[in-house]
Amino acid sequence: QKEVEQNSGPLSVPEGAIASLNCTYSDRGSQSFFWYRQYSGKSPELIMFIYSNGDKEDGRFTAQLNKASQYVSLLIRDSQPSDSATYLCAPSRGYKYIFGTGTRLKVLA
Amino acid sequence: ETGVTQSPTHLIKTRGQQVTLRCSSQSGHNTVSWYQQALGQGPQFIFQYYREEENGRGNFPPRFSGLQFPNYSSELNVNALELDDSALYLCASSGDSSTDTQYFGPGTRLTVL
Repeated sequence: QKEVEQNSGPLSVPEGAIASLNCTYSDRGSQSFFWYRQYSGKSPELIMFIYSNGDKEDGRFTAQLNKASQYVSLLIRDSQPSDSATYLCAPSRGYKYIFGTGTRLKVLA
Repeated sequence: ETGVTQSPTHLIKTRGQQVTLRCSSQSGHNTVSWYQQALGQGPQFIFQYYREEENGRGNFPPRFSGLQFPNYSSELNVNALELDDSALYLCASSGDSSTDTQYFGPGTRLTVL
């Protein structure tokens, strides 16, 4: 079993729709959960993080965490073509981040 | 822009050679983590330096080594390069705790021929 699992995609959504990105993790000791966006050929860029069960909203983005189910998700509302990128989920235990392979999102204009 | 810088941007080496990659952390940050990202994969943790000491290491052989300087900039050295070392090498800096949020630099693309 992989430490962090993400559907590689591509996930295609029309412009203006909600994109839902999912991630499961195996380490129950994970404390914080990060979402990064990575455009092709560029480095990861932090979108947001969450460490408590429930929802956390930041603009068009909402992170959801369920530690009992070892599941974290990212919702992107009103998706734009500029959101087309790979989204990396990274649970962390202390200093060590464990990244998934990412989900490629395509927002169709 | 995160304020984290890396050099060089691109590098081509041949198998068996040695390489040094450099990273300057964001102002006010004293922790640097290094990651290797192969094509189509997520970043893999190599090691972290916190206040000039190695704070933790991932599953990488000893030919991957590092250093952090008093100004908190850092180097990643790789000896005896192998073809599989071809990847994007990412440096991430974080604040005054080794568990603070990590912000990535632009990366160095290393190609080993």
